[in-house]
Amino acid sequence: AQSVAQPEDQVNVAEGNPLTVKCTYSVSGNPYLFWYVQYPNRGLQFLLKYITGDNLVKGSYGFEAEFNKSQTSFHLKKPSALVSDSALYFCAVRDDAGTGGFKTIFGAGTRLFVKA
Amino acid sequence: DGGITQSPKYLFRKEGQNVTLSCEQNLNHDAMYWYRQDPGQGLRLIYYSQIVNDFQKGDIAEGYSVSREKKESFPLTVTSAQKNPTAFYLCASSPGQGVWTEAFFGQGTRLTVV
Repeated sequence: AQSVAQPEDQVNVAEGNPLTVKCTYSVSGNPYLFWYVQYPNRGLQFLLKYITGDNLVKGSYGFEAEFNKSQTSFHLKKPSALVSDSALYFCAVRDDAGTGGFKTIFGAGTRLFVKA
Repeated sequence: DGGITQSPKYLFRKEGQNVTLSCEQNLNHDAMYWYRQDPGQGLRLIYYSQIVNDFQKGDIAEGYSVSREKKESFPLTVTSAQKNPTAFYLCASSPGQGVWTEAFFGQGTRLTVV
């Protein structure tokens, strides 16, 4: 089965500085990787995904992610953090549901704090 | 506006009661999912449905039940057999069975046992 790991429970960064939220994956076959963001007491919002092609994927709100096959990583990045980026971030992978379809498996999440 | 609607936003359950959480989508998505989120933890899959009148158990299905009688609706019942039901419940849908499709989420229901 596919899985993702987010090694950091929390990331702290100052506003205006670059941010990185880490994710590593374990898959059999091709990886289909996603990042989602969750604000307090809300559902998750899709940020970006890697399916194939360029290793640098651009997404919503200025976020991007770098796919690295040799390191089995899919780190989320942003060149300049905003206080409003403070939220819970989830890395995810699509897994075979065994019934002809797919389900999404989530990491444990990383809480990002951006300090003004 | 297209989207996923979960209701109620907050729900309180007494010991021994069954409660049902509603999830409705108007996105014409085939697949729907229920996740449970506990503080400091990721999302755990409870049940999922790839098509109407069919559903599968996820990783933590014990104490829960679902139905999928309509494409738009995927209600979750938390039964009295679920010993620790206090959590944040999230419903999601995706356009089809493609591996590349992202999930769309509702705003969640916070269930508390009183």
